[in-house]
Amino acid sequence: NAGVTQTPKFQVLKTGQSMTLQCAQDMNHEYMSWYRQDPGMGLRLIHYSVGAGITDQGEVPNGYNVSRSTTEDFPLRLLSAAPSQTSVYFCASSYSNPRHEQYFGPGTRLTVT
Amino acid sequence: GEDVEQSLFLSVREGDSSVINCTYTDSSSTYLYWYKQEPGAGLQLLTYIFSNMDMKQDQRLTVLLNKKDKHLSLRIADTQTGDSAIYFCAETPNYGGSQGNLIFGKGTKLSVKP
Repeated sequence: NAGVTQTPKFQVLKTGQSMTLQCAQDMNHEYMSWYRQDPGMGLRLIHYSVGAGITDQGEVPNGYNVSRSTTEDFPLRLLSAAPSQTSVYFCASSYSNPRHEQYFGPGTRLTVT
Repeated sequence: GEDVEQSLFLSVREGDSSVINCTYTDSSSTYLYWYKQEPGAGLQLLTYIFSNMDMKQDQRLTVLLNKKDKHLSLRIADTQTGDSAIYFCAETPNYGGSQGNLIFGKGTKLSVKP
């Protein structure tokens, strides 16, 4: 099993550009989530999904969209990047709900100039 | 409030015990977790404790839970340089709309000096 994979590892965007952060898992997990990690702020939940076709907002959803067309993939879209979105983004998955052990990807470091 | 509080830094000498403390907010949280993040990597579950337990021991790790004070601690015995990492406390609150999603503390950076 590859576990949770994320691409790209690093990305630099200009303000106003859009992009999609990819996340995939091969563990047949129902629950997937996106977090952002900022210095001194811990991890904050952006969006999550409890299964294919179902998504919901977390603590800091503004400026981000998600979709879950398959169990395996959970992409995060930045519609119009802003410097405030400079962060490290982590995707995570767990068996059926967040109380189960969450497996994290290696992260995407995004810089918006 | 919804904050999980942790001190930001802890420095210990190799071979000593490390104790990382956390206070959480929701007394109805069913599970409480400790995650570890090594440099440049994602988080990895270290251990967890059910809310009906006071203590859990797993090799060098001891988790203590004081539900009355909403206080959680992680003790690492015989701390090694490989234990240097950021440790996150997390809870799964049951208040409306939370869906059991994890609420993380800001993380405690443990530095182990040889």
